[in-house]
Amino acid sequence: RKEVEQDPGPFNVPEGATVAFNCTYSNSASQSFFWYRQDCRKEPKLLMSVYSSGNEDGRFTAQLNRASQYISLLIRDSKLSDSATYLCVVNIGEQAGTALIFGKGTTLSVSS
Amino acid sequence: EAQVTQNPRYLITVTGKKLTVTCSQNMNHEYMSWYRQDPGLGLRQIYYSMNVEVTDKGDVPEGYKVSRKEKRNFPLILESPSPNQTSLYFCASSFRSSGIPSTDTQYFGPGTRLTVL
Repeated sequence: RKEVEQDPGPFNVPEGATVAFNCTYSNSASQSFFWYRQDCRKEPKLLMSVYSSGNEDGRFTAQLNRASQYISLLIRDSKLSDSATYLCVVNIGEQAGTALIFGKGTTLSVSS
Repeated sequence: EAQVTQNPRYLITVTGKKLTVTCSQNMNHEYMSWYRQDPGLGLRQIYYSMNVEVTDKGDVPEGYKVSRKEKRNFPLILESPSPNQTSLYFCASSFRSSGIPSTDTQYFGPGTRLTVL
């Protein structure tokens, strides 16, 4: 069964906090991995791809553990504008967009 | 401006009245998809298309049809809508990067909120 599991939250943190989201996937044939951000009632937008070696984009760090089928997203120095739902996404197809499986999302609320 | 457009953005209709939600992208993407998003269920893929005249079922295709006669357009058709198709619908398009690893970025349209009474 194709599944991507995330802790739904909500995560309520103060500005400046560090917060980590976890995601597990069940299909070992998964090809590529992503974190998307979705603001309330808006379309999802790509936050970052997740590479096997781990990757960082400013305050955001993504990690992938293929052996454990586990993906993480770390947000440092949280800002009010980081409040959103974060979607873990796994592609199990051989070509782009053919089999994207979305997690149900983790909601983050950053307060002042 | 590179974008995915959907129309209509909001629609209230009645059971059984055929409707079409249009989707168009101007990025020359080969791949296009339709998703529905429901509370507690997340985003689920309805249909996808890898190229013109090539479509395939996603996870929840029942009650929907699609067509891909042109590269830029991928309409979603509900022949006989039912209340359980009340949902938020997103169209998306994507490319495949030539580099490794592929980014496979999905570009989403703004969404269509459909209510079937």
